[in-house]
Amino acid sequence: DGGITQSPKYLFRKEGQNVTLSCEQNLNHDAMYWYRQDPGQGLRLIYYSQIVNDFQKGDIAEGYSVSREKKESFPLTVTSAQKNPTAFYLCASTNLGGGSGQPQHFGDGTRLSIL
Amino acid sequence: GQNIDQPTEMTATEGAIVQINCTYQTSGFNGLFWYQQHAGEAPTFLSYNVLDGLEEKGRFSSFLSRSKGYSYLLLKELQMKDSASYLCAVRPYSGGYQKVTFGIGTKLQVIP
Repeated sequence: DGGITQSPKYLFRKEGQNVTLSCEQNLNHDAMYWYRQDPGQGLRLIYYSQIVNDFQKGDIAEGYSVSREKKESFPLTVTSAQKNPTAFYLCASTNLGGGSGQPQHFGDGTRLSIL
Repeated sequence: GQNIDQPTEMTATEGAIVQINCTYQTSGFNGLFWYQQHAGEAPTFLSYNVLDGLEEKGRFSSFLSRSKGYSYLLLKELQMKDSASYLCAVRPYSGGYQKVTFGIGTKLQVIP
């Protein structure tokens, strides 16, 4: 079945460490997104990408980096510069064709905690 | 800027009807989405409105008034499995990227 796979499901980060969250989709979607979800707050956009080798900062990009070397893959690196990384991270994708009503499809998320 | 307001929590009884409201103030409008999210899980798409009026999908309906910047999600014949957060999301712009802005979500508890 087509879908979005995020891994790992749980991740722990030590002080000063960079960690990478994986996101793979086999839906042939053009656009991919990374969101962060904290209790009592809505999903906040970190980075998004429309095509391979192109990506844009979202609302809270500081302390994060991404790459889009393949259409299917959009990994997110949480760097040591992100001082409050504990959150639930969600990857999403959508088809850019077919009109404005295309919903975003989400992966199951990665829960990141600080050790 | 973008501002989306939803109630934080609601409680309703199994078998009843509940209406979850969403108001928005955005720099543009190109559609509104509702998603359901069970605790610790991924959001799943419920409905999309871009024109004024009511869209019905089984037990779920969604209404939009663009002039009022207002939408609601109506859930009928509530079931225990409907206990979840309901996220309102607005797409402010047309064009590429299909970015949306999410509200904080309304946590619905269905009680027996």
